[in-house]
Amino acid sequence: NAGVTQTPKFRVLKTGQSMTLLCAQDMNHEYMYWYRQDPGMGLRLIHYSVGEGTTAKGEVPDGYNVSRLKKQNFLLGLESAAPSQTSVYFCASSLTGGIRRRYEQYFGPGTRLTVT
Amino acid sequence: AQSVTQLDSQVPVFEEAPVELRCNYSSSVSVYLFWYVQYPNQGLQLLLKYLSGSTLVKGINGFEAEFNKSQTSFHLRKPSVHISDTAEYFCAVRPRLFSGGYNKLIFGAGTRLAVHP
Repeated sequence: NAGVTQTPKFRVLKTGQSMTLLCAQDMNHEYMYWYRQDPGMGLRLIHYSVGEGTTAKGEVPDGYNVSRLKKQNFLLGLESAAPSQTSVYFCASSLTGGIRRRYEQYFGPGTRLTVT
Repeated sequence: AQSVTQLDSQVPVFEEAPVELRCNYSSSVSVYLFWYVQYPNQGLQLLLKYLSGSTLVKGINGFEAEFNKSQTSFHLRKPSVHISDTAEYFCAVRPRLFSGGYNKLIFGAGTRLAVHP
């Protein structure tokens, strides 16, 4: 049971390049999330998904797209990277069943992205 | 809308000393409260949570937090810290109202705890 995994761990992009970050979870969680973490700002939600085939915008969605084709995977895409997207990206997942268990999010180890 | 304020961005402390990390929140509805810890170069893991019941909540690694509704605070405490507690700590809230299945967590900016020998 690996929990939440993220690929890649590090990446450097030039402005205008594109890339996809992959998040995978093996806990059969319904909900998945993408956050970015910037110094002094905590974590901010980019996009989220409440089930396979569904996605929705979070707090800071501009410049990002997502897809949830399989329940266990949640992809985050940057179509044209900008220096403002330099950040650490975290994926998380959570259960849907059971009132108390629903509220805990499980996080991946993060992807450090630098856009030059 | 909700917001979370962590009053200290950095807290230096000596090993075996007590520590308190402060968290205040603002919300027009009732909330659930969480503390997450992030060790260097790792993801976040849940330290403790308050959903209901006793306002004193115990978590992993000897941490505890007290929910104070009148002061809208959820401060994290540990009576004696270790070097291994050096990490960044995030306070987060979630509104109690069901919002279409979206488990919306609002995070504070984080407090970096540095434990010195």
